[in-house]
Amino acid sequence: ETGVTQSPTHLIKTRGQQVTLRCSSQSGHNTVSWYQQALGQGPQFIFQYYREEENGRGNFPPRFSGLQFPNYSSELNVNALELDDSALYLCASSPTGSEGYGYTFGSGTRLTVV
Amino acid sequence: EDQVTQSPEALRLQEGESSSLNCSYTVSGLRGLFWYRQDPGKGPEFLFTLYSAGEEKEKERLKATLTKKESFLHITAPKPEDSATYLCAVPLNSGYSTLTFGKGTMLLVSP
Repeated sequence: ETGVTQSPTHLIKTRGQQVTLRCSSQSGHNTVSWYQQALGQGPQFIFQYYREEENGRGNFPPRFSGLQFPNYSSELNVNALELDDSALYLCASSPTGSEGYGYTFGSGTRLTVV
Repeated sequence: EDQVTQSPEALRLQEGESSSLNCSYTVSGLRGLFWYRQDPGKGPEFLFTLYSAGEEKEKERLKATLTKKESFLHITAPKPEDSATYLCAVPLNSGYSTLTFGKGTMLLVSP
């Protein structure tokens, strides 16, 4: 059974640029959630995808967008990058209807905006 | 608004020195409280789920307990490999399954 795989592991971008982060969910998991974790903070919910539709969203602006594909993998896109977007971006997959106990997190993508 | 507060922010222990981490929450209709462990540069790893006041769960040197307003993670005779950030989280009161996390407690166990 494979876990959650995220790519790339590290990324440096310039303010104003756009970035795409990728996530392959765990086998059998059809729900994907994305979280942003700033240094010294807990993860903050960005949005969730279920069956290729956005299923819920946290307090993040529209320049944060996402996709889920038929194989349940997912992308997080961030436009017009700001310095405050520097963070660890975590993807978590889960079986339908589960909550925290069903989550499997990836190791994250460390994004640095300069 | 759902709130999760963890204390202390950081804790330094000597190997074998037992202690407890605290997670207090304000949420209506708690649907579970979750503890995760996070190593540097890694994603959170699930430890426990607690659903009702009085419930306890154990795993090796860790024991999690739950009251109506807070949860404790007790660490008995810790070892250096227990060093990590411990996060607690509760489900958002929404129509979908996701979590609100506290800021975590960074635990360092020295040999």
